[in-house]
Amino acid sequence: DAKTTQPPSMDCAEGRAANLPCNHSTISGNEYVYWYRQIHSQGPQYIIHGLKNNETNEMASLIITEDRKSSTLILPHATLRDTAVYYCIVRAYGNNRLAFGKGNQVVVIP
Amino acid sequence: DSGVTQTPKHLITATGQRVTLRCSPRSGDLSVYWYQQSLDQGLQFLIQYYNGEERAKGNILERFSAQQFPDLHSELNLSSLELGDSALYFCASTLAEGIGSGNTIYFGEGSWLTVV
Repeated sequence: DAKTTQPPSMDCAEGRAANLPCNHSTISGNEYVYWYRQIHSQGPQYIIHGLKNNETNEMASLIITEDRKSSTLILPHATLRDTAVYYCIVRAYGNNRLAFGKGNQVVVIP
Repeated sequence: DSGVTQTPKHLITATGQRVTLRCSPRSGDLSVYWYQQSLDQGLQFLIQYYNGEERAKGNILERFSAQQFPDLHSELNLSSLELGDSALYFCASTLAEGIGSGNTIYFGEGSWLTVV
């Protein structure tokens, strides 16, 4: 299954849009891109997922490039409560489970 | 609130002991996953059950076992505990057997296990 690459950390300004990149150059046609986040020691929280088209929900927007080799999670108005580790995951290897990498530690700065 | 319930939230026990962690999946979900998260490792997949049957195994030690009951709740049994077993244990659930079709997996808040 496809691996993902995320920056290890990034800072975002409170009230501004936060754009979180993810590369998944070996993604196959039937693999979904999932985004989760984990606020310190809490359970991972589902954010959004997509296959080909851009997706939007009440939490975020997911922009997937036309070749599907990369995607961007957009938090439209970052708040301090959005400080978390964000995981970009492509359908896991093996038997349909999520495989978490190291993620991107996002810190929202006042 | 994800709808996945885990008990206990915190547990302290001694080395060599045995503990049981319990998970109630979201209403209607048939598939349950267990994950371990320790300080020096990320989220590690342990095991998956679907409708009472084991479906996938990850990095689960032989000292650990799990089962899913007819009412779909699941238990993770950890025995002969060692200091290194101290970790957060998460349960997750989803409707179907896999996520390939886009089914979303929802996580509980975890059980903190401290082995002293």
